[in-house]
Amino acid sequence: AQTVTQSQPEMSVQEAETVTLSCTYDTSESDYYLFWYKQPPSRQMILVIRQEAYKQQNATENRFSVNFQKAAKSFSLKISDSQLGDAAMYFCAYRPYSGGGADGLTFGKGTHLIIQP
Amino acid sequence: DAGVTQSPTHLIKTRGQQVTLRCSPISGHKSVSWYQQVLGQGPQFIFQYYEKEERGRGNFPDRFSARQFPNYSSELNVNALLLGDSALYLCASSLGGSGNQPQHFGDGTRLSIL
Repeated sequence: AQTVTQSQPEMSVQEAETVTLSCTYDTSESDYYLFWYKQPPSRQMILVIRQEAYKQQNATENRFSVNFQKAAKSFSLKISDSQLGDAAMYFCAYRPYSGGGADGLTFGKGTHLIIQP
Repeated sequence: DAGVTQSPTHLIKTRGQQVTLRCSPISGHKSVSWYQQVLGQGPQFIFQYYEKEERGRGNFPDRFSARQFPNYSSELNVNALLLGDSALYLCASSLGGSGNQPQHFGDGTRLSIL
């Protein structure tokens, strides 16, 4: 079974600074997808960024970028120029390519990101 | 366009009762997945439905069941409720059932068991 580990229960960063959230995963699959989701207090899970394992290039979405290290099974999220609206729980998630997506997403326990004004 | 909508927003039940949670996917999305999120944890996968058929099931007891209707909306049913079923239940929809399709989540139903 796949597992996703987020070792930082909470992170704090000053507004406008850069922060990196860590994620490691365990899988025997060679093809899979990785995601970062954001969950503000409003509860809705919002997709931040995704990465296909077969792509060597790290995904970027505006201020958000990932550092994907396939051999190390590591998938960290970097948030540049942190803004107050970035404060939320951040979840790393994994989904295997095999099974046609029937396995659903496997989530980590989350990292609570605090933005200091 | 409307996002994923779930009802009700909150629900209080007692042990042993049964509950039905509802989800309407984004227009055009044919796949619906259900997740359980216990306080302080990440969501756990319960079911995925695509084109009205169950495509995947997580490690949940048979007390949990679901179905998808011709309009692609879905219901999650939980029988014989236990205190441990208290959680936020999230519904997510995607265009198709394949793994690369991003899942879009609703606001969830907060279920409390007394």
